[in-house]
Amino acid sequence: EAGVVQSPRYKIIEKKQPVAFWCNPISGHNTLYWYRQNLGQGPELLIRYENEEAVDDSQLPKDRFSAERLKGVDSTLKIQPAELGDSAVYLCASGGNRDRDTGELFFGEGSRLTVL
Amino acid sequence: EDQVTQSPEALRLQEGESSSLNCSYTVSGLRGLFWYRQDPGKGPEFLFTLYSAGEEKEKERLKATLTKKESFLHITAPKPEDSATYLCAVGGSQGNLIFGKGTKLSVKP
Repeated sequence: EAGVVQSPRYKIIEKKQPVAFWCNPISGHNTLYWYRQNLGQGPELLIRYENEEAVDDSQLPKDRFSAERLKGVDSTLKIQPAELGDSAVYLCASGGNRDRDTGELFFGEGSRLTVL
Repeated sequence: EDQVTQSPEALRLQEGESSSLNCSYTVSGLRGLFWYRQDPGKGPEFLFTLYSAGEEKEKERLKATLTKKESFLHITAPKPEDSATYLCAVGGSQGNLIFGKGTKLSVKP
């Protein structure tokens, strides 16, 4: 079974440029999460989807970040414009119907963003 | 505010030298305590879920235990392949996972 797929794995951009990350979750998983992980820190939730609906986006900086999950499958996270402080690893995770109880999320390998 | 604190930040062991990692938490209504392993350049990988004080889970050389205020991840006779960052998380009141900063474990042969 294929795992969570993310792209690109690495991205280097100049500040003020836009960037987008893509995530394909495990087939059949209805919940999808975007986390941001800074160096030496644990992942921090940006947004959580249940099917197509964003049920928790309270930590998403909405002035520059946006996300969408069309048809309840793939998801895209966009940053425009990027700032130096956005340099981090952006992790996508998916879970089945019971992940809120079991805590069992399946993470992709992440997209490492460097803003110069 | 829900919070997770892990200690130590880093731990260096010799192969075969058993030890424990600590995860202390404050949360309004624990929905579960979760342990993940993260290798460099990879996403976290799920290990265990603990729901109530006194519960224990085991997997190979790892055993996780839970009290009302903290959880321990015991590593018995570790091997170099156990080297990784171990992340602890709790189920938050908003239905998301709140992660600690992790403990970076290095096991030398």
